[in-house]
Amino acid sequence: GENVEQHPSTLSVQEGDSAVIKCTYSDSASNYFPWYKQELGKRPQLIIDIRSNVGEKKDQRIAVTLNKTAKHFSLHITETQPEDSAVYFCAASTRGSQGNLIFGKGTKLSVKP
Amino acid sequence: DAGITQSPRHKVTETGTPVTLRCHQTENHRYMYWYRQDPGHGLRLIHYSYGVKDTDKGEVSDGYSVSRSKTEDFLLTLESATSSQTSVYFCAISLEDSNQPQHFGDGTRLSIL
Repeated sequence: GENVEQHPSTLSVQEGDSAVIKCTYSDSASNYFPWYKQELGKRPQLIIDIRSNVGEKKDQRIAVTLNKTAKHFSLHITETQPEDSAVYFCAASTRGSQGNLIFGKGTKLSVKP
Repeated sequence: DAGITQSPRHKVTETGTPVTLRCHQTENHRYMYWYRQDPGHGLRLIHYSYGVKDTDKGEVSDGYSVSRSKTEDFLLTLESATSSQTSVYFCAISLEDSNQPQHFGDGTRLSIL
């Protein structure tokens, strides 16, 4: 079945620096890749997603890139701020008659003022 | 915020007792999901539903059952709770299948002593 690997598990950056989180997936049929942000004690919230027919997508300080050949996708956060501190999860859709998402194990991002 | 309500929000119970968690949505979305979240494991799918009375297993379905008698309600039941089922449980909904964004409820923190 689908497997999603996420790296690094923890990431610490200075405010204003960029942060990059990488994920790899195993199912070549996966075609939808969302990213979620989860603050402590809160629900995961969708921050950006990308489909397999697109190589890059941006939304203000957040961007996601997808390399279908290599089966990896990345989240890029520029000009980080303390409120970006959270756990970030990547996910990939599975094949199958109904389909669902498989999540990475998460990256804890800490942005130091 | 997506119209998703999980109940109860917190529950403490004893090993061997039955437990039912409820997810209620007001969005009329077709798909509903139950996940558990544990440290070091990210979000793992327990069961999901793709319509009234249509459900399927996820990757960690042992010890859990679900029911969906109405579009708006998706119930998760632990027939005989075990300590290994202590976790935070999240419900999610999506308009269609895994190629659509999933939106999460606020979670239920379940402790089994």
